[in-house]
Amino acid sequence: NAGVTQTPKFQVLKTGQSMTLQCAQDMNHNSMYWYRQDPGMGLRLIYYSASEGTTDKGEVPNGYNVSRLNKREFSLRLESAAPSQTSVYFCASSDFDRGRGTFYEQYFGPGTRLTVT
Amino acid sequence: AQTVTQSQPEMSVQEAETVTLSCTYDTSENNYYLFWYKQPPSRQMILVIRQEAYKQQNATENRFSVNFQKAAKSFSLKISDSQLGDTAMYFCAFVNYGGSQGNLIFGKGTKLSVKP
Repeated sequence: NAGVTQTPKFQVLKTGQSMTLQCAQDMNHNSMYWYRQDPGMGLRLIYYSASEGTTDKGEVPNGYNVSRLNKREFSLRLESAAPSQTSVYFCASSDFDRGRGTFYEQYFGPGTRLTVT
Repeated sequence: AQTVTQSQPEMSVQEAETVTLSCTYDTSENNYYLFWYKQPPSRQMILVIRQEAYKQQNATENRFSVNFQKAAKSFSLKISDSQLGDTAMYFCAFVNYGGSQGNLIFGKGTKLSVKP
């Protein structure tokens, strides 16, 4: 099992350019998440997908869009990159069953370091 | 608002000694899970230990243990017999399973340095 994979690992963009960060998991998890990590800020949730076909905004969604392509894949798109989006981006997945009150650990990808100049 | 506070931005410890990292959280929910994640220089997020709020017994994983005080909303991590490989950022996090979609709320982290 590869777990959670992310591409690319590093990216440099100019202001106004667009790009898509790819994420895939092979653990058959229902829920997937995108976080950003900034120095001194911890990780903050950008968007999440509780199940295939659904997506919802997290704490810091402005400037981003997401697509849950299928159960395995959850992509994050920056339509017009800004320097404030310079960050490390993490994708994560987990099994979460609110009905049964069960939650299993989130597994994280290796991260993408994005620099916007 | 749900928040996690880690009051120690940086800590250091000598190899083989014991260190405790502090974490407090704020939630109005009664059912939740608490976690400590480790992030070494490789950037990978690694789960260290988890605690279900309904369990009174403190979780332990080898050299790692927690002191969970539900009434005080405190969740500290104790690392015994510290090793050089424990050098990393440590993040405290929790998730409510009553009203959320399973997303983690993170603290800002504590940078731990283990010195030889």
